[in-house]
Formats: sequence, structure tokens, C-alpha cells
Amino acid sequence: DIQMTQSPSSLSASVGDRVTITCRASESISSYLNWYQQKPGKAPQVLIYGASTLQSGVPSRFSGSGSGTDFTLTISSLRPEDFATYYCQQSYSPEKTFGQGTKVEIK
Amino acid sequence: EVQLVESGGGLVQPGGSLRLSCAASGFTFNNYEMNWVRQAPGKGLEWVSYISSSGNVIYYADSVKGRFTISRDNAKNSLYLQMNSLRAEDTAIYYCARDRAGDYVLLIDYWGQGTLVTVSS
Repeated sequence: DIQMTQSPSSLSASVGDRVTITCRASESISSYLNWYQQKPGKAPQVLIYGASTLQSGVPSRFSGSGSGTDFTLTISSLRPEDFATYYCQQSYSPEKTFGQGTKVEIK
Repeated sequence: EVQLVESGGGLVQPGGSLRLSCAASGFTFNNYEMNWVRQAPGKGLEWVSYISSSGNVIYYADSVKGRFTISRDNAKNSLYLQMNSLRAEDTAIYYCARDRAGDYVLLIDYWGQGTLVTVSS
């Protein structure tokens, strides 16, 4: 199975900060990489799909990049509602593995 | 409006069985591939199983292979997960989740609210 490794596992940041989360696949997944946001007690929601395409309705401060094995999610200017846990997921193989998650907390 | 509503969770003893259901509405169910994804308390997301729109292609995570069975009834707009030989490590919220496929993209675009399965004696 393809393994997905996110870093960091958690981070503390302030409102207005630029935040970058990385995700590495154990083998090439082309651009079959999605990013999800999950808030406590809620189901995840997709932010970015195909490595860099913003899901409809998602603010433009979120962006994604990368291909092959290395990917990045960037929040250009952190807002209070962005404090959540973020997961990458590969959809290249039928077993759609997730990264372990990155919790973004308030500094 | 797309809705996915899970049911069937609860408390079960180790070695027991449980059947989860997911009622879909607001879209043409038989056009979409579906998944089950779970999340243990305080842990991350784990993909569990996938079923194609017709039901003839199925995949499982290694952790549940041979114990869980995914199925669907397109006439009833419903997705199912039969879980046998349950273990403590199967304790989790189970989400029903819809795939959306396009040119070189595949993502989960809708999730249910989840149903909690607790395996404990």
C-alpha cells in the first residue's frame, strides 16, 4: 500500500501567519492528492483536489502544490476558522490512504 | 441537497458482528462509487472499503480484509458494511463517503455525519 507521511504532526500559529503543511507519498502518485479539513466533532471536508485545484466555495487563501511524491498545502494568512486538523489523501491506488494529520492550533 | 445518513452503530462484544447502513439522497446513487472511512477516538482517518457504482469492483484495507463486507442496493439508494469478528481496534466513527471522479482526479466530495461503533466487553 502507498504510505502518506505528513509533517509536522502539529503546529502552533497566530492569526495572519502563513502556514505550510507537507505530505510525502511512499511512491509516485502523479497529482492524485487531496487535502481535507476536519473540525472537532465534524466530518472532513475537501479543500484541494488533484494536488492544486481549489474545491468550490473554499477560500483562496488555501492553495496546494506538488506532484509525484511531494506535496504542500499552504494557508496564506491564517484566520480563526482555520484552526483544525488537515489530512492529505492519495487516490492514485484503490486503497485511498490518508496521512496521519496535522493539527493547527492557536499560538 | 446531497445527504448521506449512517445508522447501525452501537456497542458490540469482541468477536461479534454489526451491520452499518448508509441512506443516500439528493443525487443519482447508482452513478457514484462509494467508500467507508473510519476514525478511532482521537486518531486520524483510515480508509476502510470501496465499492464501484455497479457493485462489481470492491476493495478493502488490509486491516479489515476477510472480516468486513461492503455492499450496496441501488434500488434502495443504500450502502452497507457488514462487520464480523470485531476487535477492540475496530472501535471508531464510521463515515459513509461519496467519490467524485473526473479527468485525472478522484476525491471524496461528500461525507455522512458518522456512526459510532464501540467494541468492548
